[in-house]
Amino acid sequence: NAGVTQTPKFQVLKTGQSMTLQCAQDMNHEYMSWYRQDPGMGLRLIHYSVGAGITDQGEVPNGYNVSRSTTEDFPLRLLSAAPSQTSVYFCASSYGLGVEKLFFGSGTQLSVL
Amino acid sequence: QQPVQSPQAVILREGEDAVINCSSSKALYSVHWYRQKHGEAPVFLMILLKGGEQKGHEKISASFNEKKQQSSLYLTASQLSYSGTYFCGTETGMYSGGGADGLTFGKGTHLIIQP
Repeated sequence: NAGVTQTPKFQVLKTGQSMTLQCAQDMNHEYMSWYRQDPGMGLRLIHYSVGAGITDQGEVPNGYNVSRSTTEDFPLRLLSAAPSQTSVYFCASSYGLGVEKLFFGSGTQLSVL
Repeated sequence: QQPVQSPQAVILREGEDAVINCSSSKALYSVHWYRQKHGEAPVFLMILLKGGEQKGHEKISASFNEKKQQSSLYLTASQLSYSGTYFCGTETGMYSGGGADGLTFGKGTHLIIQP
């Protein structure tokens, strides 16, 4: 039982490049979400999903896309990376939205030059 | 909309108590509390659901005042291991009947415990 697995752990991009951050969970959780963490800003919700085929925007969705084709996977796509997207990204999942604890991945440190 | 946490930072001596507050401008369905150590992922502490119940976890407990849309985290007889950043997370949409909003976190409270 691996929990929530995020890849890669570190990534450096050039402005304008695109990439996908991977997130997978093996706990059969319905709810999955992506957060970014910047100094002094806490954890800000980017996108979330309450089940396969269902996604919704959080607080800071601009510049990011998500899809949820399976229960296990919830990739985050940066369409055209910008320096403002330099951040630590966390994927998290839970059995139920709001009423069950979140399990966090170990995070991805992303730098956009 | 992010919940508001206070204070932003607390410095304590080992054995002292602390209270961290979390408030929202929207009706709350649930409040989560997490602790994060530097360079690590947040770790779950507890969840409180609407109803004003208080929960405990070792020497850490929390209350939830649904009417005031507030929650407080209580750390008693603090230990060095309590150092870190504490986040509250709130779910509001389900309570208002408008569908889920997603769990939204505050900016965090930095807790430093000195020996």
